[in-house]
This record gives sequence, C-alpha cells and structure tokens, in this order.
Amino acid sequence: ETGVTQTPRHLVMGMTNKKSLKCEQHLGHNAMYWYKQSAKKPLELMFVYSLEERVENNSVPSRFSPECPNSSHLFLHLHTLQPEDSALYLCASSQPGQGVETQYFGPGTRLLVL
Amino acid sequence: EDQVTQSPEALRLQEGESSSLNCSYTVSGLRGLFWYRQDPGKGPEFLFTLYSAGEEKEKERLKATLTKKESFLHITAPKPEDSATYLCAAKGGTSYGKLTFGQGTILTVHP
Repeated sequence: ETGVTQTPRHLVMGMTNKKSLKCEQHLGHNAMYWYKQSAKKPLELMFVYSLEERVENNSVPSRFSPECPNSSHLFLHLHTLQPEDSALYLCASSQPGQGVETQYFGPGTRLLVL
Repeated sequence: EDQVTQSPEALRLQEGESSSLNCSYTVSGLRGLFWYRQDPGKGPEFLFTLYSAGEEKEKERLKATLTKKESFLHITAPKPEDSATYLCAAKGGTSYGKLTFGQGTILTVHP
C-alpha cells in the first residue's frame, strides 16, 4: 500500500454522462498529479498541482476538469467523454523541495467509455 | 523534447536466468532516473531513483545502473513473482514535476 488511494477502481460511462474520479493521499505530500495510461502507450502526464495550485496542464481536452481542494485530495471531473478516453487513470503525489522528489502512485481507476 | 525508450518490449525468462532491461533516455538536464514496477490492474510501484552517471542501487534481486545515455535494470536469478511490467521514467530540468515515461518492458518469469 503506497498511501495513495483512488475511487472508484472501475467506471463505465456513456458519452453523455458526467462522473468524477477521486484521489486521496495520506503521505503528507504537497504535489499531486493525474496521469493517463492507455494500452501500448507510455504514461501521459495530464495535470500537476502544487500546494493546491495547478502548475502544469499538458494540453488536455476541456472535457477533463481537475480540482484540488486541498493538498490531500484531487479530483478529475469527466463530461462528454469519447471512447478513445478509455484508459487507466492514475493519481500520484510527491513532496517537492527534497531534492528530486519521487512520485508515488495510486492503484488507478479503469475507465471504459461506451 | 525529452524521450525515454525501453527495450525489449517483452522478455521471457526461465526461473534463475539472469538478464537486463534497457532504458535509453534523451533528457535535457537529467535530474533523476526512476524505475517502477507495475503489476496488472495496479498502479506503478516505486523501485529506484538514480541521480548521476555511475550510480548503482540494489534491492533484492534487482540492481539499477545509470550512464549518461541509458539505465539498466539487472535481474539476478529471477523468480516467477518478479513477473511484471517494469517502467523507466526520467525527470529533466525544464517542466515542473514532469516525468517522461518509457513504454515499459513486460517481464515474464517461468518456473
């Protein structure tokens, strides 16, 4: 157990649905990340939050909307997704300021868009 | 643009048959090279961080090494429980917090 939890673990949604993914870290870290992992492709960074402020947005479509209400929680709000958005969505956290910080990952949410 | 390439894509070993996984990187101002292990249906599990060429780190049957262009993950006398996907990632000096990942090597160890 890495101290990063994600819910739900599995999600099936239609293209017109709205859903949210939740991530919580219990490591006392100040930075949180969303990644997308598709089959046969490397992990793609989507968003980075540091001290609840978004510091990086990797050209992600607006149908993905992140929210970081505090340093322990991170959400990814989903609406009008496309089938190609089906993937494993991973949350990670790290503690900046201690050299090159290591990112610790949650178990992921497996998303299927029909 | 930062790039990380892992080889081979897949590796099948017999139990006890040692081998190495390769991670080649092109990163501006490398600040860290990371190795993760990922089991099916789970998130990546941190293994090692290497910071500078010549550095080596060990954990049980795994040893990671780093040169100026590539990193190796050596697996000595592997066991079936070492079967997993091994991911390499590099952090450059440009973007905040951004790790560039390779596509991974799927390792299968047969008893």
